Amino acid sequence: AQSVTQLDSHVSVSEGTPVLLRCNYSSSYSPSLFWYVQHPNKGLQLLLKYTSAATLVKGINGFEAEFKKSETSFHLTKPSAHMSDAAEYFCVALSGNTGKLIFGQGTTLQVKP
Amino acid sequence: KAGVTQTPRYLIKTRGQQVTLSCSPISGHRSVSWYQQTPGQGLQFLFEYFSETQRNKGNFPGRFSGRQFSNSRSEMNVSTLELGDSALYLCASSSGTSPYEQYFGPGTRLTVT
Repeated sequence: AQSVTQLDSHVSVSEGTPVLLRCNYSSSYSPSLFWYVQHPNKGLQLLLKYTSAATLVKGINGFEAEFKKSETSFHLTKPSAHMSDAAEYFCVALSGNTGKLIFGQGTTLQVKP
Repeated sequence: KAGVTQTPRYLIKTRGQQVTLSCSPISGHRSVSWYQQTPGQGLQFLFEYFSETQRNKGNFPGRFSGRQFSNSRSEMNVSTLELGDSALYLCASSSGTSPYEQYFGPGTRLTVT
């Protein structure tokens, strides 16, 4: 069965420093992968998606993710953290060819001034 | 385009009662998926409806049911509520075809007392 593992439950960075949120997936084929962000008491917002067109994916708000098949990873990065980036981030895989999403456990990003 | 709307936003029910939650997808989208979010279990897939048919189902008891109308609006029903059903219920809208990216509503916060 397909699964998604986020390697850190909590990441803390200082404002202006790089962000790295790690995600590994397990699948026998190249999956469709997504990163979503959830701010407190809000719904989920799509940051970016990978659908095999390009391994480096650019998203909104300066975020990027690189798909590495050899490492089964899809890590999320941002060169410079902003206070407004503090939120929970979910790495997500699409199961099969329908609308079932498999969520990682989430990573809480804290940004210190 | 208007986003995904969910009603009501907050709900308090008593154990044993039943509840109906509503979701209106983005105009033109034919797929609606439902997810339950709890601190302990994270985000879990309930079911997906596409063109009024249930296309996918998660591992939830039969007390959880749903339906979709011809205008793509969807309802989710939970009967015989249990304390453990307290959660944020999120609905997601998508075109229903590749790349299956989903757009989430703000959620309905259900509290069972």
